Amino acid sequence: GDSVTQMEGPVTLSEEAFLTINCTYTATGYPSLFWYVQYPGEGLQLLLKATKADDKGSNKGFEATYRKETTSFHLEKGSVQVSDSAVYFCALSDASGGSYIPTFGRGTSLIVHP
Amino acid sequence: GAVVSQHPSRVICKSGTSVKIECRSLDFQATTMFWYRQFPKQSLMLMATSNEGSKATYEQGVEKDKFLINHASLTLSTLTVTSAHPEDSSFYICSAAGQGYVEQYFGPGTRLTVT
Repeated sequence: GDSVTQMEGPVTLSEEAFLTINCTYTATGYPSLFWYVQYPGEGLQLLLKATKADDKGSNKGFEATYRKETTSFHLEKGSVQVSDSAVYFCALSDASGGSYIPTFGRGTSLIVHP
Repeated sequence: GAVVSQHPSRVICKSGTSVKIECRSLDFQATTMFWYRQFPKQSLMLMATSNEGSKATYEQGVEKDKFLINHASLTLSTLTVTSAHPEDSSFYICSAAGQGYVEQYFGPGTRLTVT
């Protein structure tokens, strides 16, 4: 079945540091890939997405490129802020067989210190 | 973007009682809704998938008689935790997806505490 693997956290950085959160996936079809962010006490918000190979999703300074050859969708940001502290979930959706099947990674907590 | 609401945001109930959580898509028709349970240390567990007008599909290990899901309209799904116990205390999150969409939109979550 489909699966998503994220690097374990927490990831602790100083403000303005470079961020990478690794995400790899396995899927039988041609999935769409997502990054969601969850701030403390809230639900998940879509951060960015990519629907096909080599697509780059970007939003709020975050980027991720859909790499089919390495089955990866790593999240990056050049300069993190304290307000970026949250939990980040990598996810895929695979419409194989006509059904919508969401699969999430376990989440990676990011802590940014001033 | 699409908006999904949940009600209530927090609920405290006594052991043995039932609690209903509502999930509404406010500006789109949600043909599919998902219910998740989030445990401490953040892991997100899919409980069930519901399509409007049909019975929910529960994930393995989720008791369908305990977690009753109804998706009676294209904008509303409900999760009822029956005969709640302290171990049911958790953060419950719903999400919704429209026809032909590949992404889902999440509600803000409901914190359930069973005393």
